[in-house]
Amino acid sequence: EVQLVETGGALIQPGGSLRLSCAASGLTVSNYYMSWVRQAPGKGLEWVSVIYTGGATYYADSVTGRFTISRDNSKNTLYLHMNSLGADDTAVYYCTRGGGTSSWWGSWGRGTLVTVSS
Amino acid sequence: DIVMTQSPDSLAVSLGERATINCKSSQSVLYSSNNRNYLAWYQQKPGQPPKLLIYWASTRDSGVPDRFSGSGSGTDFTLTISSLQAEDVAVYYCQQYYNTPYTFGQGTRLEIK
Repeated sequence: EVQLVETGGALIQPGGSLRLSCAASGLTVSNYYMSWVRQAPGKGLEWVSVIYTGGATYYADSVTGRFTISRDNSKNTLYLHMNSLGADDTAVYYCTRGGGTSSWWGSWGRGTLVTVSS
Repeated sequence: DIVMTQSPDSLAVSLGERATINCKSSQSVLYSSNNRNYLAWYQQKPGQPPKLLIYWASTRDSGVPDRFSGSGSGTDFTLTISSLQAEDVAVYYCQQYYNTPYTFGQGTRLEIK
């Protein structure tokens, strides 16, 4: 059974940094497209970033230059490094697994809440 | 960026009746080399993460009841629930994965009439 467990969410001041982690079991993260999708309170879904099997990474315009996606194959864990956080980054962040080398998101974690506020 | 627009924003349907949700993309998500539409549908119930229902516009994910079906091609797509059940109350999203940035529709809230 595939499990994705996100951790690292917190209340953080504007301008701060945070690292989210997603521990995977039942799959090997390097064999799939892996992504972060976020959802602001009461709002819809927003794709944030993807890392492909070959290591290429892509970002939403809203986070480019501030967020970095990465993975540690030895720990089978996906990360999202977030810098220069602002109120618009407040959201539940979901870790997702793609359909092999396709970018539909077939498995989702429960999410971790990031709140940016002073 | 490809803009995904769903209609309606909310929908109320009687139990056992058909529910139809539309999704339109600002440009075609049909990849000519493999004749596949890069379009997925998700269901999100309150307090839960989204769940994949449909990919390649019409392929049901494993375990998804056959009352859910997807159709369409190019820029116009439809999610149909043939006979609404109480457990289908949720918000439904379409998503294009034709290119980055991957984009979602704004969501359609489905309720029981």
